[in-house]
Amino acid sequence: NAGVMQNPRHLVRRRGQEARLRCSPMKGHSHVYWYRQLPEEGLKFMVYLQKENIIDESGMPKERFSAEFPKEGPSILRIQQVVRGDSAAYFCASSPLYEGQSTDTQYFGPGTRLTVL
Amino acid sequence: KNEVEQSPQNLTAQEGEFITINCSYSVGISALHWLQQHPGGGIVSLFMLSSGKKKHGRLIATINIQEKHSSLHITASHPRDSAVYICAVRSRETSGSRLTFGEGTQLTVNP
Repeated sequence: NAGVMQNPRHLVRRRGQEARLRCSPMKGHSHVYWYRQLPEEGLKFMVYLQKENIIDESGMPKERFSAEFPKEGPSILRIQQVVRGDSAAYFCASSPLYEGQSTDTQYFGPGTRLTVL
Repeated sequence: KNEVEQSPQNLTAQEGEFITINCSYSVGISALHWLQQHPGGGIVSLFMLSSGKKKHGRLIATINIQEKHSSLHITASHPRDSAVYICAVRSRETSGSRLTFGEGTQLTVNP
């Protein structure tokens, strides 16, 4: 059973370009979380998605950032018109979160390190 | 003030020493996680606690819900334990399993 997969592992973009980060959750997991770790800072929640639904996007910047988790395929975190301040490690985590089960371990992917030149 | 506070921020130990990392939080929680982030950046979930104590190998995690405090202990520490240890909580007030993280404790174990 493969773990959470993220690609690319490293991504370099110039200012103004678009960045697309992909996350494939563990098999059987239908809940995905995106977290951002800025240089020298702790992890911060960005968005929580279930298949075809955004459940909580309160941690997402209001502009340029969007996320989706389609019925088929990986979850995508999209950053338009990147700026240097977007340089960070972006981690995805997945969990099964069965109904009635209030707590579940989250399994983290290896992260995508975005560098904006 | 952060919802999750860890201490110490940095910790250096000699191989074999007993290590304790502390985590205090200010919100009502349904679960607390201890994570390990390796120098390469990957994150591994060590424990998820909602009460009491858990043990896995040389690692022990405890939580006191009334005092809103958790500790991670490492017995017989080894250089390979060198990593950042992160405490994270799932607040009762938020949806799903969204986590709020502490700033992490950088542990260095010298041979």
